[in-house]
Amino acid sequence: DTAVSQTPKYLVTQMGNDKSIKCEQNLGHDTMYWYKQDSKKFLKIMFSYNNKELIINETVPNRFSPKSPDKAHLNLHINSLELGDSAVYFCASSQDWGGRKLFFGSGTQLSVL
Amino acid sequence: KNQVEQSPQSLIILEGKNCTLQCNYTVSPFSNLRWYKQDTGRGPVSLTIMTFSENTKSNGRYTATLDADTKQSSLHITASQLSDSASYICVVSYSGGGADGLTFGKGTHLIIQP
Repeated sequence: DTAVSQTPKYLVTQMGNDKSIKCEQNLGHDTMYWYKQDSKKFLKIMFSYNNKELIINETVPNRFSPKSPDKAHLNLHINSLELGDSAVYFCASSQDWGGRKLFFGSGTQLSVL
Repeated sequence: KNQVEQSPQSLIILEGKNCTLQCNYTVSPFSNLRWYKQDTGRGPVSLTIMTFSENTKSNGRYTATLDADTKQSSLHITASQLSDSASYICVVSYSGGGADGLTFGKGTHLIIQP
């Protein structure tokens, strides 16, 4: 009965590879997000997605692309992984665009070797 | 520029003791402020929300305060327990902003020692 679930929990890969992280929410929320948490535990928004409207943080490299097959899913695809991409990635959702209470997944720890 | 500053960066206290975490913000126009608790290896979970008109709100052993004039909030933990060991993140939202209308603090890492 997990509200926001993301897989995998851990992801270890080589530089230059392409990888995806999956996220699903069963809360019926309209808005989903991807956040990156760096080594200093600082959370930064990467993308937010609401009713097919995508807002991209302009600082995110275009190697990162979100894909939403439906309202309950927002996957994160990363091309040509770099060492600096190593971090914990969190998926989150909120009831609507103005709903500021975020429900987070448990995170995916990405290690690029 | 919207900013949220939290202090201290880290804190170690003995089980059973009280502690207070601080959050100062420059977000404008202010909408609300949330405190999140993030356990190790987990995602953040909302503890409480403070709106402009609220000064104090309690959630069990957690009490949040807000001073909208000085743009400060605090989270007071009473009779700390080992399970309170976590990072506490202050998040301020501004009016009119969409999903990107949230400003995150860097968190306070709290360790409760037996």
